[in-house]
Amino acid sequence: SQQGEEDPQALSIQEGENATMNCSYKTSINNLQWYRQNSGRGLVHLILIRSNEREKHSGRLRVTLDTSKKSSSLLITASRAADTASYFCAPLGFGNEKLTFGTGTRLTIIP
Amino acid sequence: DVKVTQSSRYLVKRTGEKVFLECVQDMDHENMFWYRQDPGLGLRLIYFSYDVKMKEKGDIPEGYSVSREKKERFSLILESASTNQTSMYLCASSSRGRWGNTIYFGEGSWLTVV
Repeated sequence: SQQGEEDPQALSIQEGENATMNCSYKTSINNLQWYRQNSGRGLVHLILIRSNEREKHSGRLRVTLDTSKKSSSLLITASRAADTASYFCAPLGFGNEKLTFGTGTRLTIIP
Repeated sequence: DVKVTQSSRYLVKRTGEKVFLECVQDMDHENMFWYRQDPGLGLRLIYFSYDVKMKEKGDIPEGYSVSREKKERFSLILESASTNQTSMYLCASSSRGRWGNTIYFGEGSWLTVV
């Protein structure tokens, strides 16, 4: 199983601004998932994008997937203090049930 | 509402003790996972179970074992706890699907070995 690599490792922005974080992976995927983790808590699923999709939206979240570049990005629009968390991407290969995670992007929203 | 419940939120154990971390899910999921999370290292998969009594090693199985006697319960066992096993442990579950499905996590168990 492969893990995604998130970039940047840390990001601080003002409340109301947009936050963009990126994910790169190495081999072909079935889907790619994004998760959020508040400090000291478990991870919470945000969005899943399949390998045949290029873009997906969920509320203030927009995820893109470029399989030719083996990369994905997560955009959070109009950020809020409650968005402060770590964000992880998890690429999933075909015939594989195991998601592995990298070290994440730590996002801080400054009020 | 989906739920993965980890029995203990905080534990302190002594070196050499046998430690059990219990996890229960109420979603009838086939797959269950144990991860550990350490600063700077992200989440690392310890063990994975895809069915009752079935298990597969993850990336860091050394020093751990698991048990899955019932579909809803997945236990992580530290046979002889050591200080380098001080960590946050996360249990998770998912259903089986062609496209791979969402993983649901518990709230985590903070284990300190002294």
